[in-house]
Amino acid sequence: SSELTQDPAVSVALGQTVRITCQGDSLRSYYAGWYQQKPGQAPVLVIYGKNNRPSGIPDRFSGSSSGNTASLTITGAQAEDEADYYCNSRDNSGNHVVFGGGTKLTVL
Amino acid sequence: QVQLQESGPGLVKPSQTLSLTCTVSGGSISSGGYYWSWIRQHPGKGLEWIGYIYYSGSTYYNPSLKSRVTISGDTSKNQFSLKLSSVTAADTAVYYCARDRDGGGWNSFDYWGQGTLVTVSS
Repeated sequence: SSELTQDPAVSVALGQTVRITCQGDSLRSYYAGWYQQKPGQAPVLVIYGKNNRPSGIPDRFSGSSSGNTASLTITGAQAEDEADYYCNSRDNSGNHVVFGGGTKLTVL
Repeated sequence: QVQLQESGPGLVKPSQTLSLTCTVSGGSISSGGYYWSWIRQHPGKGLEWIGYIYYSGSTYYNPSLKSRVTISGDTSKNQFSLKLSSVTAADTAVYYCARDRDGGGWNSFDYWGQGTLVTVSS
Protein backbone atom coordinates (compact mmCIF):
# COMPACT_ATOMS: atom_id res chain seq x y z
CA SER A 1 0.00 0.00 0.00
CA SER A 2 1.03 3.61 -0.35
CA GLU A 3 0.18 6.83 1.41
CA LEU A 4 -1.15 10.19 0.29
CA THR A 5 -0.09 13.31 2.17
CA GLN A 6 -2.12 16.51 2.43
CA ASP A 7 -1.58 19.71 4.36
CA PRO A 8 -3.92 19.64 7.38
CA ALA A 9 -5.24 23.15 6.88
CA VAL A 10 -5.29 25.88 4.28
CA SER A 11 -6.98 29.26 4.23
CA VAL A 12 -7.99 31.59 1.43
CA ALA A 13 -9.54 35.02 1.22
CA LEU A 14 -12.98 35.20 -0.28
CA GLY A 15 -12.76 35.41 -4.05
CA GLN A 16 -9.11 34.44 -4.22
CA THR A 17 -7.49 31.31 -5.62
CA VAL A 18 -6.33 28.42 -3.49
CA ARG A 19 -4.46 25.25 -4.30
CA ILE A 20 -4.75 22.10 -2.19
CA THR A 21 -2.09 19.50 -2.78
CA CYS A 22 -1.80 15.74 -2.37
CA GLN A 23 1.50 13.88 -2.54
CA GLY A 24 2.23 10.20 -2.93
CA ASP A 25 4.09 7.66 -5.04
CA SER A 26 0.88 6.20 -6.43
CA LEU A 27 0.13 9.56 -8.07
CA ARG A 28 2.90 8.87 -10.55
CA SER A 29 0.66 6.12 -11.95
CA TYR A 30 -2.88 7.21 -11.09
CA TYR A 31 -4.82 10.43 -11.22
CA ALA A 32 -6.28 11.57 -7.93
CA GLY A 33 -9.92 11.92 -7.12
CA TRP A 34 -10.95 14.88 -4.97
CA TYR A 35 -13.81 15.07 -2.51
CA GLN A 36 -15.45 17.87 -0.57
CA GLN A 37 -16.96 17.07 2.80
CA LYS A 38 -19.00 19.46 4.90
CA PRO A 39 -19.82 18.76 8.56
CA GLY A 40 -22.31 15.98 9.04
CA GLN A 41 -22.46 15.15 5.35
CA ALA A 42 -21.10 12.43 3.12
CA PRO A 43 -18.19 13.36 0.87
CA VAL A 44 -18.97 14.69 -2.60
CA LEU A 45 -16.79 14.01 -5.62
CA VAL A 46 -15.56 17.29 -7.15
CA ILE A 47 -12.75 16.20 -9.51
CA TYR A 48 -11.90 12.86 -11.12
CA GLY A 49 -9.47 11.66 -13.74
CA LYS A 50 -7.13 14.11 -15.43
CA ASN A 51 -9.40 17.09 -14.74
CA ASN A 52 -13.08 16.19 -14.89
CA ARG A 53 -15.94 17.65 -12.91
CA PRO A 54 -19.11 15.69 -12.18
CA SER A 55 -22.35 17.31 -13.18
CA GLY A 56 -23.29 20.11 -10.82
CA ILE A 57 -19.76 20.92 -9.66
CA PRO A 58 -18.88 24.57 -10.37
CA ASP A 59 -16.15 25.24 -12.91
CA ARG A 60 -14.11 27.12 -10.31
CA PHE A 61 -12.91 23.65 -9.25
CA SER A 62 -10.09 22.18 -11.31
CA GLY A 63 -7.47 19.48 -10.98
CA SER A 64 -3.92 19.00 -12.14
CA SER A 65 -1.05 16.61 -11.62
CA SER A 66 2.74 16.65 -11.86
CA GLY A 67 5.02 13.85 -10.83
CA ASN A 68 3.95 12.59 -7.42
CA THR A 69 1.73 15.59 -6.66
CA ALA A 70 -1.90 16.19 -7.47
CA SER A 71 -3.54 19.54 -6.94
CA LEU A 72 -7.06 20.81 -6.54
CA THR A 73 -7.45 24.47 -7.41
CA ILE A 74 -10.41 26.62 -6.50
CA THR A 75 -10.41 29.81 -8.55
CA GLY A 76 -12.45 32.48 -6.86
CA ALA A 77 -13.21 30.68 -3.60
CA GLN A 78 -16.70 31.16 -2.20
CA ALA A 79 -17.89 30.97 1.38
CA GLU A 80 -19.67 27.70 0.59
CA ASP A 81 -16.36 26.12 -0.40
CA GLU A 82 -15.30 26.03 3.24
CA ALA A 83 -15.04 22.31 3.93
CA ASP A 84 -12.67 19.38 4.30
CA TYR A 85 -11.10 18.15 1.09
CA TYR A 86 -9.75 14.65 0.54
CA CYS A 87 -7.77 13.11 -2.28
CA ASN A 88 -7.64 9.43 -3.19
CA SER A 89 -6.10 7.10 -5.71
CA ARG A 90 -5.42 3.43 -6.27
CA ASP A 91 -2.28 2.28 -4.52
CA ASN A 92 0.79 1.05 -6.39
CA SER A 93 -0.62 -2.48 -6.58
CA GLY A 94 -3.70 -1.17 -8.35
CA ASN A 95 -5.91 -3.31 -6.14
CA HIS A 96 -6.40 -1.09 -3.12
CA VAL A 97 -7.48 2.46 -2.47
CA VAL A 98 -5.74 5.10 -0.41
CA PHE A 99 -7.00 8.43 0.89
CA GLY A 100 -5.11 11.49 1.94
CA GLY A 101 -5.52 12.69 5.47
CA GLY A 102 -7.65 15.63 4.39
CA THR A 103 -7.24 19.40 4.23
CA LYS A 104 -9.49 21.76 6.11
CA LEU A 105 -10.16 24.78 3.95
CA THR A 106 -11.12 28.02 5.64
CA VAL A 107 -12.50 30.86 3.54
CA LEU A 108 -11.72 34.18 5.22
CA GLN B 1 -29.61 8.43 -10.39
CA VAL B 2 -27.76 5.86 -8.33
CA GLN B 3 -28.59 5.80 -4.65
CA LEU B 4 -26.97 3.85 -1.84
CA GLN B 5 -28.36 3.32 1.63
CA GLU B 6 -26.58 1.75 4.58
CA SER B 7 -28.49 -0.24 7.17
CA GLY B 8 -27.58 -2.16 10.29
CA PRO B 9 -27.18 -1.87 14.05
CA GLY B 10 -25.90 1.40 15.41
CA LEU B 11 -24.49 -0.26 18.52
CA VAL B 12 -22.25 -3.30 18.65
CA LYS B 13 -20.66 -4.88 21.70
CA PRO B 14 -16.88 -5.31 21.92
CA SER B 15 -15.58 -8.60 20.47
CA GLN B 16 -18.72 -9.05 18.40
CA THR B 17 -19.14 -8.74 14.64
CA LEU B 18 -20.28 -5.52 13.02
CA SER B 19 -22.66 -6.19 10.12
CA LEU B 20 -23.90 -3.59 7.66
CA THR B 21 -25.77 -3.80 4.39
CA CYS B 22 -25.81 -1.35 1.51
CA THR B 23 -28.86 -1.33 -0.73
CA VAL B 24 -28.28 0.05 -4.20
CA SER B 25 -30.98 1.57 -6.38
CA GLY B 26 -30.74 3.11 -9.82
CA GLY B 27 -27.83 0.88 -10.76
CA SER B 28 -26.81 -2.75 -10.63
CA ILE B 29 -23.98 -4.19 -8.57
CA SER B 30 -23.61 -6.67 -11.43
CA SER B 31 -22.45 -3.92 -13.79
CA GLY B 32 -18.83 -4.04 -14.87
CA GLY B 33 -16.53 -1.12 -14.25
CA TYR B 34 -17.64 -0.45 -10.72
CA TYR B 35 -16.29 -1.53 -7.36
CA TRP B 36 -18.81 -1.50 -4.53
CA SER B 37 -16.98 -0.18 -1.53
CA TRP B 38 -17.03 0.39 2.18
CA ILE B 39 -15.30 3.39 3.70
CA ARG B 40 -15.27 4.56 7.29
CA GLN B 41 -14.53 7.75 9.12
CA HIS B 42 -13.58 7.83 12.78
CA PRO B 43 -15.08 10.76 14.69
CA GLY B 44 -13.30 13.94 13.68
CA LYS B 45 -10.85 12.04 11.49
CA GLY B 46 -10.24 11.31 7.82
CA LEU B 47 -11.56 8.71 5.42
CA GLU B 48 -10.35 5.13 5.58
CA TRP B 49 -11.00 2.67 2.77
CA ILE B 50 -12.13 -0.70 4.10
CA GLY B 51 -12.52 -2.70 0.93
CA TYR B 52 -14.66 -3.46 -2.10
CA ILE B 53 -16.36 -6.13 -4.11
CA TYR B 54 -16.29 -6.20 -7.88
CA TYR B 55 -19.20 -7.37 -10.03
CA SER B 56 -17.31 -10.61 -10.63
CA GLY B 57 -17.32 -11.28 -6.91
CA SER B 58 -13.63 -10.49 -6.41
CA THR B 59 -12.88 -8.70 -3.19
CA TYR B 60 -10.00 -6.54 -2.01
CA TYR B 61 -9.46 -5.29 1.50
CA ASN B 62 -7.38 -2.73 3.30
CA PRO B 63 -4.33 -4.70 4.48
CA SER B 64 -4.69 -3.22 7.95
CA LEU B 65 -8.19 -4.69 8.31
CA LYS B 66 -7.96 -7.72 6.06
CA SER B 67 -7.92 -10.32 8.83
CA ARG B 68 -11.25 -9.07 10.20
CA VAL B 69 -13.18 -7.96 7.10
CA THR B 70 -15.54 -9.77 4.77
CA ILE B 71 -17.46 -8.05 1.98
CA SER B 72 -20.09 -9.99 0.08
CA GLY B 73 -22.74 -9.26 -2.53
CA ASP B 74 -26.31 -10.36 -3.15
CA THR B 75 -27.18 -9.63 -6.75
CA SER B 76 -30.76 -10.80 -6.30
CA LYS B 77 -31.35 -8.00 -3.80
CA ASN B 78 -28.84 -5.58 -5.36
CA GLN B 79 -27.10 -5.31 -2.02
CA PHE B 80 -23.60 -5.71 -0.69
CA SER B 81 -22.58 -6.22 2.89
CA LEU B 82 -19.76 -5.64 5.32
CA LYS B 83 -18.79 -7.83 8.23
CA LEU B 84 -16.07 -6.70 10.61
CA SER B 85 -15.22 -9.19 13.33
CA SER B 86 -13.76 -8.82 16.81
CA VAL B 87 -14.63 -5.15 17.05
CA THR B 88 -13.23 -2.80 19.66
CA ALA B 89 -13.91 0.82 20.53
CA ALA B 90 -11.41 1.74 17.82
CA ASP B 91 -13.95 0.57 15.25
CA THR B 92 -16.44 3.22 16.30
CA ALA B 93 -16.95 5.29 13.17
CA VAL B 94 -19.33 6.46 10.50
CA TYR B 95 -19.47 3.76 7.87
CA TYR B 96 -20.20 4.69 4.27
CA CYS B 97 -20.92 2.55 1.29
CA ALA B 98 -19.95 4.01 -2.05
CA ARG B 99 -19.61 3.21 -5.72
CA ASP B 100 -16.05 3.24 -6.98
CA ARG B 101 -15.91 3.98 -10.69
CA ASP B 102 -12.84 2.62 -12.40
CA GLY B 103 -11.34 4.65 -15.24
CA GLY B 104 -8.17 2.67 -15.81
CA GLY B 105 -5.72 5.33 -14.74
CA TRP B 106 -8.00 6.69 -12.09
CA ASN B 107 -10.81 5.79 -9.77
CA SER B 108 -13.46 7.88 -8.11
CA PHE B 109 -16.21 7.39 -5.58
CA ASP B 110 -19.04 9.00 -7.47
CA TYR B 111 -22.00 7.93 -5.35
CA TRP B 112 -22.09 7.62 -1.57
CA GLY B 113 -24.58 6.53 1.01
CA GLN B 114 -25.46 8.99 3.75
CA GLY B 115 -23.33 7.08 6.24
CA THR B 116 -24.28 5.28 9.41
CA LEU B 117 -22.68 5.72 12.81
CA VAL B 118 -21.67 2.50 14.47
CA THR B 119 -20.64 2.69 18.09
CA VAL B 120 -18.79 -0.14 19.76
CA SER B 121 -19.64 -0.20 23.43
CA SER B 122 -20.83 -2.60 26.08
